[in-house]
Amino acid sequence: GIQVEQSPPDLILQEGANSTLRCNFSDSVNNLQWFHQNPWGQLINLFYIPSGTKQNGRLSATTVATERYSLLYISSSQTTDSGVYFCAVEAGGTSYGKLTFGQGTILTVHP
Amino acid sequence: SAVISQKPSRDICQRGTSLTIQCQVDSQVTMMFWYRQQPGQSLTLIATANQGSEATYESGFVIDKFPISRPNLTFSTLTVSNMSPEDSSIYLCSVEGFGGGTTTYNEQFFGPGTRLTVL
Repeated sequence: GIQVEQSPPDLILQEGANSTLRCNFSDSVNNLQWFHQNPWGQLINLFYIPSGTKQNGRLSATTVATERYSLLYISSSQTTDSGVYFCAVEAGGTSYGKLTFGQGTILTVHP
Repeated sequence: SAVISQKPSRDICQRGTSLTIQCQVDSQVTMMFWYRQQPGQSLTLIATANQGSEATYESGFVIDKFPISRPNLTFSTLTVSNMSPEDSSIYLCSVEGFGGGTTTYNEQFFGPGTRLTVL
């Protein structure tokens, strides 16, 4: 099956710093999503981005499908950005919505 | 996006017992899925809940251990049977395929999860 690798596994920032999270995948995809899991376990949708670039406030994401990677940018980080960031992909072909998750990046933002 | 609720939100159970988790969506959806997140780990797909037919299970998951029902387009249940401490996890349902507005058809949304502890 498709492999999804996220880097870095852990990231510690001071409030106000910028960061880039990376997601590499091993095959073509129909769907790619970025999620933020808050400390209560809730998965928050950040981006649906199988290709191209999107921005939402301090967050933006870019997926280069031909090179099989996606990047999530966080600017001017805040303590509320802390948590785990997951990249998840739906493999191309007949995956019918089945998402494969990366191992996540644990982000800690200190005040 | 759809509003997705799960019951119970958390439970503590004894080994050998079973727990049924409910997932309710406020609109009809095409696809419903069940995922497991073991402590400190990522999410793993258990099965696709098919409306009106048997669920489709992923490798490593079997119907006898995780029976799933989906009687209609807004509701599904997952049962964790004959539980052991290794079943302690967060169980999440997700949905895909509801229309209207600017929602992207293939975007998947998750319920709040059920945190299960087995003693």
